[in-house]
Amino acid sequence: QKEVEQDPGPLSVPEGAIVSLNCTYSNSAFQYFMWYRQYSRKGPELLMYTYSSGNKEDGRFTAQVDKSSKYISLFIRDSQPSDSATYLCAAAVLTGGGNKLTFGTGTQLKVEL
Amino acid sequence: SAVISQKPSRDICQRGTSLTIQCQVDSQVTMMFWYRQQPGQSLTLIATANQGSEATYESGFVIDKFPISRPNLTFSTLTVSNMSPEDSSIYLCSVGTDINSPLHFGNGTRLTVT
Repeated sequence: QKEVEQDPGPLSVPEGAIVSLNCTYSNSAFQYFMWYRQYSRKGPELLMYTYSSGNKEDGRFTAQVDKSSKYISLFIRDSQPSDSATYLCAAAVLTGGGNKLTFGTGTQLKVEL
Repeated sequence: SAVISQKPSRDICQRGTSLTIQCQVDSQVTMMFWYRQQPGQSLTLIATANQGSEATYESGFVIDKFPISRPNLTFSTLTVSNMSPEDSSIYLCSVGTDINSPLHFGNGTRLTVT
């Protein structure tokens, strides 16, 4: 079993839709959660990160962590064609090795006009 | 956030040869890492590049195959040695300003081994 599981998609939505991207994880020691966006032929771009359960909002993006169910989500409101990309979730343990990220495989999102 | 430059951006290499990938950051960073991204798979950590000392390798990766240098706080290299087609992948440099800060990534080096 992979430590971080993510549905690869592809996920196709109409412009303006609310997108929900989800990951589950198995390692209870994970304390630090991130979402990256990766456009084709580019490196992953950090979107959001959080250390705690609950919601964190940044513009059209909301990251949600539920540590009791080991579930992390990214919501995108008013989705735009420019949001079309692969979204990667990642998790880490905060024991001086917090930078060692464990990634999901990524969900490919397409927002259509 | 730090600007990370990786060179080359892509290369096609012959089996048995070696390729050195460079990662240059525009500011000093505490942490530098090398990841590999294979099609349909998660990003996988190869090693932590330690300034002035030997890199720390993850399970499944060895120094003879992936020698890493980090002479200062802004630069690192990863060499892929004695390449085989299985080494075809995207290699990514990532940096963190301190030990638990979020990581930022370069645009990667797309390596094809024929």
